[in-house]
Amino acid sequence: DAGVIQSPRHEVTEMGQEVTLRCKPISGHNSLFWYRQTMMRGLELLIYFNNNVPIDDSGMPEDRFSAKMPNASFSTLKIQPSEPRDSAVYFCASSLSSGSYEQYFGPGTRLTVT
Amino acid sequence: GESVGLHLPTLSVQEGDNSIINCAYSNSASDYFIWYKQESGKGPQFIIDIRSNMDKRQGQRVTVLLNKTVKHLSLQIAATQPGDSAVYFCAEGWYGQNFVFGPGTRLSVLP
Repeated sequence: DAGVIQSPRHEVTEMGQEVTLRCKPISGHNSLFWYRQTMMRGLELLIYFNNNVPIDDSGMPEDRFSAKMPNASFSTLKIQPSEPRDSAVYFCASSLSSGSYEQYFGPGTRLTVT
Repeated sequence: GESVGLHLPTLSVQEGDNSIINCAYSNSASDYFIWYKQESGKGPQFIIDIRSNMDKRQGQRVTVLLNKTVKHLSLQIAATQPGDSAVYFCAEGWYGQNFVFGPGTRLSVLP
């Protein structure tokens, strides 16, 4: 298996622009997680899905952030409009929701908003 | 990826020595704990987990100890190698809920 796939790996955009991050979880995994990592706040859970349904989005910073999971093999995290404080590394992770809670992380998307 | 807070603890050990990385967790209801390793430019990688009904679990060169009385978790790495240099995170969770990650500890292995 290729593992969790994220794209793009790097994104540089100007303040006010829309940003879309993409994730393909490991085949057969039914839970998907979006995290944000910064030097100031560490690793924060933004939202997670179980069987394509959002379960907990309490970590989403504000209405500018939205996430979707239209099917079991694809998810997006969108920021509109983006702001410089959104600059961070965004990770997607997937897991089997039963048994082990081990999460498999993707390589991350480094977002820079200027 | 850069991954740490401003006050990330750092542990420096000599190659071949044993390393002990500590973590204090916050929720007495947590029943599952995981240690992750994050190398520069990569996502966190699972190392070992432990459930709250255990106080010790061993893997290959790693041991996790859980002390529920004082809400403390530790990761022991035997015969530390240069490839062990990374940031290590503990995460606590409870059944059906998401996980909360600690701030991380940077392990630096000296030649």
